[in-house]
Amino acid sequence: GQNIDQPTEMTATEGAIVQINCTYQTSGFNGLFWYQQHAGEAPTFLSYNVLDGLEEKGRFSSFLSRSKGYSYLLLKELQMKDSASYLCAVMDSNYQLIWGAGTKLIIKP
Amino acid sequence: IAGITQAPTSQILAAGRRMTLRCTQDMRHNAMYWYRQDLGLGLRLIHYSNTAGTTGKGEVPDGYSVSRANTDDFPLTLASAVPSQTSVYFCASSDSPGMNTEAFFGQGTRLTVV
Repeated sequence: GQNIDQPTEMTATEGAIVQINCTYQTSGFNGLFWYQQHAGEAPTFLSYNVLDGLEEKGRFSSFLSRSKGYSYLLLKELQMKDSASYLCAVMDSNYQLIWGAGTKLIIKP
Repeated sequence: IAGITQAPTSQILAAGRRMTLRCTQDMRHNAMYWYRQDLGLGLRLIHYSNTAGTTGKGEVPDGYSVSRANTDDFPLTLASAVPSQTSVYFCASSDSPGMNTEAFFGQGTRLTVV
């Protein structure tokens, strides 16, 4: 079966750095996405990785290792507005997105 | 403002009733999707449409039907609602179903079946 694993909840301090991990087992791989979802709102796109390595976009970076079936989202200089759920999703061989349950990130002052 | 709109935003529905959730996008995206989101679970695909006139079944299609008569609209119908269909429903669209395709989501419909 297809499976995406990520921690259920993480806590971090404002101004700090946090790394949210995602491991996956899917039938085929056509890219990995990270989405942010604030409580009661729609998911919004953060990043896309299809090749191994690190993609940096401002305070957010996303890393992919296809051989390990592993990705992480790195958030730097945390702000209170970063409190949200972070969803990892893998596009499988049929170009359908398989979603993880999401990691709820709590930022404390 | 361009985007994707869902209606209603919330609904309480008696079991056994028929209900259509509406979804409209004005981005001229080819692909559209319906997901349900339940606590502790990832988004689960109900149905999808890669282009107007075509639809496909996702991971959890039972009890739901869709149509795609044109590019903009993708309604989801519950023929006879059951309590297990209580969920938050998200409609999404993307330019194409292929790689590197960011999906845009509507604001969601919170449905409670009693």
